[in-house]
Amino acid sequence: DTGVSQNPRHKITKRGQNVTFRCDPISEHNRLYWYRQTLGQGPEFLTYFQNEAQLEKSRLLSDRFSAERPKGSFSTLEIQRTEQGDSAMYLCASRTMGETQYFGPGTRLLVL
Amino acid sequence: KNEVEQSPQNLTAQEGEFITINCSYSVGISALHWLQQHPGGGIVSLFMLSSGKKKHGRLIATINIQEKHSSLHITASHPRDSAVYICAVWDTDKLIFGTGTRLQVFP
Repeated sequence: DTGVSQNPRHKITKRGQNVTFRCDPISEHNRLYWYRQTLGQGPEFLTYFQNEAQLEKSRLLSDRFSAERPKGSFSTLEIQRTEQGDSAMYLCASRTMGETQYFGPGTRLLVL
Repeated sequence: KNEVEQSPQNLTAQEGEFITINCSYSVGISALHWLQQHPGGGIVSLFMLSSGKKKHGRLIATINIQEKHSSLHITASHPRDSAVYICAVWDTDKLIFGTGTRLQVFP
């Protein structure tokens, strides 16, 4: 399978717990993006990487959020001390510069 | 005011109808995406364009950079076209998304 994959696909957690999501991009893509989408809205940019360097972070990304791409391949997005407002679909996408972007299936997070 | 606005927000059509979805943006862009999202969340890029017009099967996308406007047309619509269609623009290195147009095509 050469598409973008994300794990887990669904996550239910209690408020205050930490969660971590993983994204595996298309192997030759050097750019990797994280987005968040709430019900009825379009996705919102969170952060992106070029290889292992995190080049931009949105103001939406509070101190409780951290993302890494340690070897320039897969990436993780961690949310610490989850809040109910973090409930959303977290989308990962990858591309090479100038080309179209390919999206993963998303991780749906529900914070109770 | 959102930087990317789509209209209409919801659209219903009978099978076979010609459909147009519009997108206006207020930021300077390098390119624009039309995306399709089915229930369950998966997003597929239909087109990426920076000028003129592109066609793929029954789908046509146009963009007018001077007017900051793009349209997505679906000819001979089919119930399987039912989905949310999202316009997104590249603002330097990140995508800015519209809120989407929910299309339902009835047989």
